[in-house]
Amino acid sequence: KAGVTQTPRYLIKTRGQQVTLSCSPISGHRSVSWYQQTPGQGLQFLFEYFSETQRNKGNFPGRFSGRQFSNSRSEMNVSTLELGDSALYLCASSWGTSRGYTFGSGTRLTVV
Amino acid sequence: QQQVKQSPQSLIVQKGGIPIINCAYENTAFDYFPWYQQFPGKGPALLIAIRPDVSEKKEGRFTISFNKSAKQFSLHIMDSQPGDSATYFCAASMEYGNKLVFGAGTILRVKS
Repeated sequence: KAGVTQTPRYLIKTRGQQVTLSCSPISGHRSVSWYQQTPGQGLQFLFEYFSETQRNKGNFPGRFSGRQFSNSRSEMNVSTLELGDSALYLCASSWGTSRGYTFGSGTRLTVV
Repeated sequence: QQQVKQSPQSLIVQKGGIPIINCAYENTAFDYFPWYQQFPGKGPALLIAIRPDVSEKKEGRFTISFNKSAKQFSLHIMDSQPGDSATYFCAASMEYGNKLVFGAGTILRVKS
């Protein structure tokens, strides 16, 4: 079966710009979670969407937002980019809980 | 209380050796403890997971040992191979939880 697809794989943006990342989950999975991975902070939970509703949110500023569409695809948006937002952004899909997460390969965002 | 502490930060073993990675947690509400393996350029992939009512679980060459009273769990890799060289993350979540709390990761190198 097809895995979790994240696009684009790489992005370079300038401080102050905004960016939108996309995640297509495994067919049938209704939950999509987003994580930020950095060398300093490791893997940190951003938010989780289930059936188009945000069910859980991590400790990130309001510049980080997301949404989920009726086909379970999800997008994540970061506005007013800062240098510290440079990271690998990972999405994971599942049937509904964190058990059995399948991660995508991530989007590598570099803010210059 | 939401943290999961992982050690060591890095580990080098000879082929055939048994690397051991340790994790500790504080939150007794955690009841699902997975281990993930991540190769460069890829997202984390689920290796093996355990619940606190079990003290040990084996899947192939990978074994989780769980000590509920000490709130610690560890990953053992039997007969390690150069292909096992990767970053390993422990994690934890609550029952029916929809987010994982990750350890900081251990970079494992298996020398041939």
